[in-house]
Amino acid sequence: QSVLTQPPSASGTPGQRVTISCSGSSSNIGSNTVNWYQQLPGTAPKLLIYSNNQRPSGVPDRFSGSKSGTSASLAISGLQSEDEADYYCAAWDDSLNGRWVFGGGTKLTVL
Amino acid sequence: EVQLVESGGGLVQPGGSLRLSCAASGFTFSSYSMNWVRQAPGKGLEWVSYISSSSSTIYYADSVKGRFTISRDNAKNSLYLQMNSLRAEDTAVYYCAREKKGGSWNDYYYYMDVWGKGTTVTVSS
Repeated sequence: QSVLTQPPSASGTPGQRVTISCSGSSSNIGSNTVNWYQQLPGTAPKLLIYSNNQRPSGVPDRFSGSKSGTSASLAISGLQSEDEADYYCAAWDDSLNGRWVFGGGTKLTVL
Repeated sequence: EVQLVESGGGLVQPGGSLRLSCAASGFTFSSYSMNWVRQAPGKGLEWVSYISSSSSTIYYADSVKGRFTISRDNAKNSLYLQMNSLRAEDTAVYYCAREKKGGSWNDYYYYMDVWGKGTTVTVSS
């Protein structure tokens, strides 16, 4: 069971806006920033959002992130077929001498 | 080009050992903390271990503490993961990932910005 909680699946049609939630606690999301990763089938994870809402160079502005309290969310607007992937949230956890924690991942299907 | 390339994976029997390597190029390896993250077949990402740029700070996930040892050789631009007493549940793709630091004094943030393609470890008799 993952420390951060994500819905196992999400879906949308092309052009729609979808959001993926990530719930944690005071020792992780509540006190540290949240990062999001995209993993296309058969590939390594790729950084999508860092520091709650910052996009690395090359990531389309269709992707956005937000954080409030001990929860965070990833929004994808103008959904495209190539967005079909697994999405993971991550945060540093200050408990137990420190560790990175991930969400269980959300499989996004573009219908 | 910034790149991380893992190697050393393979098939090993339960109780056996394996040493993974991660070769870094295209950036000043000695300036960055590094992590190992694994992904079991059909499962999500699981953080395994962290090492600071100078090796002064090391963390492990509870699931591998006492069995795995992370290390680095900055002169060789390489990261390592020595895995002993391997179990079936250690079967996974192992990724090395660079950790980047941003922000300013008293308000830093961290993230894994560069990942390798991974190396597969299979523990089975």
